[in-house]
Amino acid sequence: AQSVTQLDSHVSVSEGTPVLLRCNYSSSYSPSLFWYVQHPNKGLQLLLKYTSAATLVKGINGFEAEFKKSETSFHLTKPSAHMSDAAEYFCVVSGGGFQKLVFGTGTRLLVSP
Amino acid sequence: GAGVSQSPRYKVAKRGQDVALRCDPISGHVSLFWYQQALGQGPEFLTYFQNEAQLDKSGLPSDRFFAERPEGSVSTLKIQRTQQEDSAVYLCASSLETNTDTQYFGPGTRLTVL
Repeated sequence: AQSVTQLDSHVSVSEGTPVLLRCNYSSSYSPSLFWYVQHPNKGLQLLLKYTSAATLVKGINGFEAEFKKSETSFHLTKPSAHMSDAAEYFCVVSGGGFQKLVFGTGTRLLVSP
Repeated sequence: GAGVSQSPRYKVAKRGQDVALRCDPISGHVSLFWYQQALGQGPEFLTYFQNEAQLDKSGLPSDRFFAERPEGSVSTLKIQRTQQEDSAVYLCASSLETNTDTQYFGPGTRLTVL
């Protein structure tokens, strides 16, 4: 069975400072891992995905994540936060015969001026 | 191009009423998924279609929940005799193929059961 654990329910940063959202995964298969973002009253948007190619994955809006098998981690980072980054972020794992997604509980990113 | 659309966007039902939630996937997408997102939680898988075939319904919480995709495009999630615990956002997603393809999500239907 697949699962993900998002280690922080809330993360607060100042605009222009780095962002780190932490995620650990558990999977019986070689996993596909994703980060999705959800802005208020908007649909889920894919930020990036890892599917066993390069371990450092670059996504949209300057986000990237590094797959570390030895640590079973897939942390999301961004060098410099922008006010528009304030949203809920979900770490997601899939695996097995089809792409059923298993979501973490989410991390709310707060960005202050 | 058009993304995944869902209707209605908001639905208020009295306890015991039946509701039907519609999903229009991206044209040509083979796979369609339904998820339930309770307040303050991450989405949870309900059911999966490949074309018109429902291949997995293991996430449906009770036999009051029923989903169909009769022609392999539009899908309907039906909830019979709604209960307060059914209040949630119901998300639909579609992908072009199966396996590792990206899922594209609709805006969701927020169901409130009074």
